[in-house]
Amino acid sequence: GQNIDQPTEMTATEGAIVQINCTYQTSGFNGLFWYQQHAGEAPTFLSYNVLDGLEEKGRFSSFLSRSKGYSYLLLKELQMKDSASYLCAVRDSNNAGNMLTFGGGTRLMVKP
Amino acid sequence: GAVVSQHPSRVICKSGTSVKIECRSLDFQATTMFWYRQFPKQSLMLMATSNEGSKATYEQGVEKDKFLINHASLTLSTLTVTSAHPEDSSFYICSARRTGGAPYEQYFGPGTRLTVT
Repeated sequence: GQNIDQPTEMTATEGAIVQINCTYQTSGFNGLFWYQQHAGEAPTFLSYNVLDGLEEKGRFSSFLSRSKGYSYLLLKELQMKDSASYLCAVRDSNNAGNMLTFGGGTRLMVKP
Repeated sequence: GAVVSQHPSRVICKSGTSVKIECRSLDFQATTMFWYRQFPKQSLMLMATSNEGSKATYEQGVEKDKFLINHASLTLSTLTVTSAHPEDSSFYICSARRTGGAPYEQYFGPGTRLTVT
């Protein structure tokens, strides 16, 4: 199975930068995903990393280090609408159907 | 493109009754769909993996006789909560993986909020 750890809550200021970390343990790593979820809504896809390095997509970037079992999601120029939960999910090739296992999520609160 | 719908979006039912939730991939085929459950302020917990034309694979601790899954076509999976109890009240979310798509092409439905009274 997988152990996926991320901070429960974070607070940041509008316009600032925030980094949300995720660590994982898995036997057959086959990709790491970040999703954004607003309260009462379904998750929306943000990023996918399968190789080491940084993937940049607008204000959001995601980093992966497979040797360290570590990823982070970087949010720049924070906006109030970025207040949401951010879910780290890992795919393990040893799992039937290549299913995703989710971390507990990080609730980000952006303050003015 | 890549839209997944769920119906109903909200349902309230009495204890002991059954509720069916539909998950449809509207513009793509999905051999595999997943059903998740999410309690307030918690993350998504995978309940089962649904494969078109075969039996679903249930996660440990999920009763297959209580949560019936049918994936009869490449665009539709249904989850039936049988003999619902108040503790089954939760947010149920499905996701569909595009057949032959890239690894990240797993799309979530909008969720169904079930309240059992």
